Amino acid sequence: EVQLVESGGGLVQPGGSLRLSCAASGFTFSSYEMNWVRQAPGKGLEWVSYISSSGSTIYYADSVKGRFTISRDNAKNSLYLQMNSLRAEDTAVYYCARVGTQQVWDVWGKGTTVTVSS
Amino acid sequence: DIQMTQSPSSLSASVGDRVTITCRASQSISSYLNWYQQKPGKAPKLLIYAASSLQSGVPSRFSGSGSGTDFTLTISSLQPEDFATYYCQQSYTHPRGTFGQGTKLEIK
Repeated sequence: EVQLVESGGGLVQPGGSLRLSCAASGFTFSSYEMNWVRQAPGKGLEWVSYISSSGSTIYYADSVKGRFTISRDNAKNSLYLQMNSLRAEDTAVYYCARVGTQQVWDVWGKGTTVTVSS
Repeated sequence: DIQMTQSPSSLSASVGDRVTITCRASQSISSYLNWYQQKPGKAPKLLIYAASSLQSGVPSRFSGSGSGTDFTLTISSLQPEDFATYYCQQSYTHPRGTFGQGTKLEIK
């Protein structure tokens, strides 16, 4: 079964850090581009970051550039998001999503919740 | 940046109704338009990609159309499990795929 499972969310104070992980199974992880997407409470979906299959190409949304770092370990079938200098507005459910054929985000994890609050 | 605008923002309908949701892009995106369904507490689920292609496993009562700037998602006969929030997303500027604000489909 094709599956993505996020972990690492939690409660953190403003200015703090968290590292999210996304474990992939059921497909050849190293062949796929990946994204992180977030959804603030009661709000819509916001793309956060992208990484190519090899990890050589990376993009960030302006809202997280300079604070978040995306990475992957193809040997461990894992995707990561290092989040530093967290702000209240980073509070959201964070999803990892696979980029399938025709650049479509076809597989999503269940999400992990990040709450930034003092 | 390309802005995606959905209408309506919310919609009440009954089981068996035919429902149409509209998505408009701020500039032409050809057919790089996808539709997702999201139920409360769940991840988004891909329904339609490339404006009109049905994702594998999605019931045929879902269909999509449009190109350029104007797109529609149609549900031909609403089923109880279809009550959810629907999002359009442009992938023209892949990987920076922006979403519409969502359309919440509720039971009348």
